Amino acid sequence: SQQGEEDPQALSIQEGENATMNCSYKTSINNLQWYRQNSGRGLVHLILIRSNEREKHSGRLRVTLDTSKKSSSLLITASRAADTASYFCATDPSGGYNKLIFGAGTRLAVHP
Amino acid sequence: GAGVSQSPSNKVTEKGKDVELRCDPISGHTALYWYRQSLGQGLEFLIYFQGNSAPDKSGLPSDRFSAERTGGSVSTLTIQRTQQEDSAVYLCASSSDTDTQYFGPGTRLTVL
Repeated sequence: SQQGEEDPQALSIQEGENATMNCSYKTSINNLQWYRQNSGRGLVHLILIRSNEREKHSGRLRVTLDTSKKSSSLLITASRAADTASYFCATDPSGGYNKLIFGAGTRLAVHP
Repeated sequence: GAGVSQSPSNKVTEKGKDVELRCDPISGHTALYWYRQSLGQGLEFLIYFQGNSAPDKSGLPSDRFSAERTGGSVSTLTIQRTQQEDSAVYLCASSSDTDTQYFGPGTRLTVL
């Protein structure tokens, strides 16, 4: 069963706007990771945030983690048409070995 | 190699036939994972290999599915007597001691 649930399921914005995607999960975790997938094929790792971290940045990406609420958010600032993709959160449950559990993803469309 | 490679990229088969999907992980990565992604869904964990340890097969959906990893490198996922519900993209990932998993481009399996 899927642990992570992203919302919204789909997001459509204009270039230059910010995009925020949320992820909720059910069990305690070692870390939470965000991936991007273009055209339904290979996934690209974007960022990893550990359970003892609250916020992390990478370029135009900002990820937050609230373990008390079992939720995370991914913010893409100043979006570009090339950011159009599906974005997945994946959790690494505590006591596991990086056997990631993925949500169903958010489909982001950035219009020029 | 430079990244995880998978072959074939696409496979169309008839119901009841057996198929083999191949994954070449990044050289030196000790961990290898297989996931399955049905249309419009997130990834579903299938099986995990770590070094010479016994694999975690807990995600395999039925006994028609099996996988092996020879010499701690290349892995083959075999699906026997394929069914239409096996149609999906099969993704392989590898990782070293870090938490990041690097994904291959996937094999799109279509069972007619």
